[in-house]
Amino acid sequence: GQQVMQIPQYQHVQEGEDFTTYCNSSTTLSNIQWYKQRPGGHPVFLIQLVKSGEVKKQKRLTFQFGEAKKNSSLHITATQTTDVGTYFCAGPGNQGGKLIFGQGTELSVKP
Amino acid sequence: EPEVTQTPSHQVTQMGQEVILRCVPISNHLYFYWYRQILGQKVEFLVSFYNNEISEKSEIFDDQFSVERPDGSNFTLKIRSTKLEDSAMYFCATAGTLATNEKLFFGSGTQLSVL
Repeated sequence: GQQVMQIPQYQHVQEGEDFTTYCNSSTTLSNIQWYKQRPGGHPVFLIQLVKSGEVKKQKRLTFQFGEAKKNSSLHITATQTTDVGTYFCAGPGNQGGKLIFGQGTELSVKP
Repeated sequence: EPEVTQTPSHQVTQMGQEVILRCVPISNHLYFYWYRQILGQKVEFLVSFYNNEISEKSEIFDDQFSVERPDGSNFTLKIRSTKLEDSAMYFCATAGTLATNEKLFFGSGTQLSVL
């Protein structure tokens, strides 16, 4: 079945260092979404990428969608303690509607 | 921003008991989902619901699970005979349309503990 994979599973950084998480799909995606889940919280939508090769920025966060629309990445520049949480990528399921989530990358930031 | 409301926030139950988890969707949303997250693991799709019927369900959503929207507001997930492995955080999510680029709004979740 369709799979969405993310690496790394965990990332521990010193505050101020950069962070990147990578997402790969077993199938071509019409779009990819990114969610952030704070510790003890629920997933919250961050952004959606639709076009091949698309790059979007939200302040210190840079999101990319691969040319083949099968992979994506999230890069955080100069991490802050407020960036702590788990970042999930998600792609639409084969039948549409539902989202298939990656395993998530848990980011911890040491002050 | 509009919110999806879930109750209860925590539910402790004995193995074999029935539980009902409740969700109040965002008012103009039409598509409803239940997801499950076992501690430290990924968010897993359980079921989608539209127009008062199940649109799609995963392998996890077996005969012990059921969903309904009995009164047009609450969207419920019933687990008929809970098992230890049902312990997880259960998230309700809603969307306005079925477009594949529609973002999901998640509720705060119900932490289910089966003893």
